[in-house]
Amino acid sequence: AQSVTQPDIHITVSEGASLELRCNYSYGATPYLFWYVQSPGQGLQLLLKYFSGDTLVQGIKGFEAEFKRSQSSFNLRKPSVHWSDAAEYFCAVGPPTDSWGKLQFGAGTQVVVTP
Amino acid sequence: ETGVTQTPRHLVMGMTNKKSLKCEQHLGHNAMYWYKQSAKKPLELMFVYSLEERVENNSVPSRFSPECPNSSHLFLHLHTLQPEDSALYLCASSQAHSYGANVLTFGAGSRLTVL
Repeated sequence: AQSVTQPDIHITVSEGASLELRCNYSYGATPYLFWYVQSPGQGLQLLLKYFSGDTLVQGIKGFEAEFKRSQSSFNLRKPSVHWSDAAEYFCAVGPPTDSWGKLQFGAGTQVVVTP
Repeated sequence: ETGVTQTPRHLVMGMTNKKSLKCEQHLGHNAMYWYKQSAKKPLELMFVYSLEERVENNSVPSRFSPECPNSSHLFLHLHTLQPEDSALYLCASSQAHSYGANVLTFGAGSRLTVL
């Protein structure tokens, strides 16, 4: 069965510290991989995506993610967090097709940034 | 208007009411989606319209009725809802049958409360 697991429900990090959010997936083939962010009262905004090629992907707002096929993981990182990074982060996987999107989302990781 | 616009942002309704959620995308996309976001649960894909045809209906109760009159507009008609249907309903769009088919752009959501 296909699944997306975000092991950490909640993470607290100090402003300026590094952040890593974990994502593991179970999928028949190498899926398309995504990270989205949701600020309070808002919809989801795409941070970055991986389709193929270089396994280290750069995104918006200083985020990057690394695809590791052997570990079925797609972890999100940021070297130095800002207070504005407090939000909920969702990992998602989709089938490697170009027909239409059928994303499956993880349950999310809530990030709290302390001064 | 830019992106994906959802109205209303907040809706309170009784179990016997009939209401509708509206979504409009200004991105020239040809696929539109309804997702349900409940507390502590992953996003659930409800419906997908690609080229104005419904291509996905994930066992959604008939009290939810989608309508896609054209590629820019998507509605979710609500009838005889239950309190457990209270959630954030997110609309999204993408460009089907292209490299970006899986890249979803989300609206800010409609927060529904069923009394």
